[in-house]
Amino acid sequence: DTAVSQTPKYLVTQMGNDKSIKCEQNLGHDTMYWYKQDSKKFLKIMFSYNNKELIINETVPNRFSPKSPDKAHLNLHINSLELGDSAVYFCASSQGQGFWGYTFGSGTRLTVV
Amino acid sequence: GQQLNQSPQSMFIQEGEDVSMNCTSSSIFNTWLWYKQDPGEGPVLLIALYKAGELTSNGRLTAQFGITRKDSFLNISASIPSDVGIYFCAGLNPNSGYALNFGKGTSLLVTP
Repeated sequence: DTAVSQTPKYLVTQMGNDKSIKCEQNLGHDTMYWYKQDSKKFLKIMFSYNNKELIINETVPNRFSPKSPDKAHLNLHINSLELGDSAVYFCASSQGQGFWGYTFGSGTRLTVV
Repeated sequence: GQQLNQSPQSMFIQEGEDVSMNCTSSSIFNTWLWYKQDPGEGPVLLIALYKAGELTSNGRLTAQFGITRKDSFLNISASIPSDVGIYFCAGLNPNSGYALNFGKGTSLLVTP
């Protein structure tokens, strides 16, 4: 009955590979997000989707491509992985702009070697 | 995104002590949120604030929405070991679109 679930929890891969992280929410929310948390724990917005439409696309390399097949899913595909992509990636969801708060998944720790 | 300055960066206290942390912004927010992150988990919402001057409690936690709408603080009373974690403030302004802006976090360690 997990509200926001991400898979995988851990991902170790070599430089240059392509990988995907999946996210699903069962809260009936209409907005989903990807956040990146760096080694200093800073949480930075990457993308935001409302009703499957891209709303926010922060300054993120175009190697990162989000895809929202429906309101309950937001996946993140990363091409040509680099060492600097190593971080924890969090998926989150909210109703509308999130004035009642976002619900976060438990994160995907990506390590690029 | 808008810059949120959160302090202190870290705190190391004894069980039973009270804790206070705050967040300031150069921009006005309509909503202030406080989250806690446990190791290996995502942030979890603790308290949400919607009106300037609002004071809200959740158990031993109390948070206030500053009068200027540019700041907020979180107090934890009588800390216990399970309060250990990283506390984040976050602000939301409808003009900034669908993006919750986070402070850099306050890392709290509590010794028994």
